[in-house]
Amino acid sequence: GAVVSQHPSRVICKSGTSVKIECRSLDFQATTMFWYRQFPKQSLMLMATSNEGSKATYEQGVEKDKFLINHASLTLSTLTVTSAHPEDSSFYICSARDPGLAGGDTGELFFGEGSRLTVL
Amino acid sequence: QKEVEQDPGPLSVPEGAIVSLNCTYSNSAFQYFMWYRQYSRKGPELLMYTYSSGNKEDGRFTAQVDKSSKYISLFIRDSQPSDSATYLCAMIKAAGNKLTFGGGTRVLVKP
Repeated sequence: GAVVSQHPSRVICKSGTSVKIECRSLDFQATTMFWYRQFPKQSLMLMATSNEGSKATYEQGVEKDKFLINHASLTLSTLTVTSAHPEDSSFYICSARDPGLAGGDTGELFFGEGSRLTVL
Repeated sequence: QKEVEQDPGPLSVPEGAIVSLNCTYSNSAFQYFMWYRQYSRKGPELLMYTYSSGNKEDGRFTAQVDKSSKYISLFIRDSQPSDSATYLCAMIKAAGNKLTFGGGTRVLVKP
């Protein structure tokens, strides 16, 4: 099946630094990718929808300047956590929709393995 | 009130038992329903995907959707210790892309 690759899987950084997380769709083109955040023992919370070639759409309460999203190509979206602080420590997960042969909005959604960010 | 409600568990069952999971939702606009399995510190993986009301079976997994009651279920037959994970229901409204998740139910299958 289709695969979504996320890198790095784990990152530890100092407070005030910026961290970039990559999300790649390996065998399909994804015009739309999604970024989620998950705190321990909690569900995934959608942060933003990443659209290839245009600005990301952020969910209410998510700081656009804090979480920079770039969807540079049909197979790559990046999330940059700028000036990270300990409260940004979390599990970040991306997903991408495989439009399949029919295209459209209802293709299967595949998730990356997640990136665990720890800010010291 | 959350749009999608799911009992967090944990749900502990002996090996071989049937695991019964469910979610309720409040918005009748949801049209596509999914169940994901998430192992600790891993991304979710899709188990079942249904569109209409009724049952869908895939191996040991059966998904049920009752749109009139706004209630979906997942049954796992002949449960195995490897089924121990968090199970998340998720749903999409017909016209959009956003996936709305339930809070997840942690399942423990004891050998």
